[in-house]
Amino acid sequence: EAGVTQFPSHSVIEKGQTVTLRCDPISGHDNLYWYRRVMGKEIKFLLHFVKESKQDESGMPNNRFLAERTGGTYSTLKVQPAELEDSGVYFCASSQAPKETQYFGPGTRLLVL
Amino acid sequence: ELKVEQNPLFLSMQEGKNYTIYCNYSTTSDRLYWYRQDPGKSLESLFVLLSNGAVKQEGRLMASLDTKARLSTLHITAAVHDLSATYFCAVGGGATNKLIFGTGTLLAVQP
Repeated sequence: EAGVTQFPSHSVIEKGQTVTLRCDPISGHDNLYWYRRVMGKEIKFLLHFVKESKQDESGMPNNRFLAERTGGTYSTLKVQPAELEDSGVYFCASSQAPKETQYFGPGTRLLVL
Repeated sequence: ELKVEQNPLFLSMQEGKNYTIYCNYSTTSDRLYWYRQDPGKSLESLFVLLSNGAVKQEGRLMASLDTKARLSTLHITAAVHDLSATYFCAVGGGATNKLIFGTGTLLAVQP
């Protein structure tokens, strides 16, 4: 069974540009989470989808971040416009149910110059 | 606000030695997770602890949970080089079970 996949693995962009990250959860997992780790900090929750609905987006830093999960399958996280402080590793995780173990993808390493 | 404190941040061990990583959390939670991350890889689930006194073991790793003390430990027995990685504890919060992570412990096992 394929695990959680993320694309791209790395992205280097300039301040002010737009970047879109993609996450494909494990097949059949309705719950999808986004997290990020900024350099030297803890891994922080961003938001949670159940199918295509946002259940909790309390961790989204500001309105430059937009997450979607159209059709309840893969999800995208768009940062527009990117700022220097957005640099970090963005992880996606999925689970069958909220209380079940979350399985993580390898992350997307974003560097904003 | 739920907070998770993990220590030590960095642990250099010799092969064959034992050591413990500690994870304290600030408010009641019904589940605690331990994950392992190798450089550049995804977080791999090691243990889920659900109740007070829970103990789980896998190979040289053993995790325990004391909900009254709000403390979980990850004990490493007779460390080997293959255990070198970053270990995270995380506490599930709220109905969505969003994970609140500790800072991680970078474990380096020296031959």
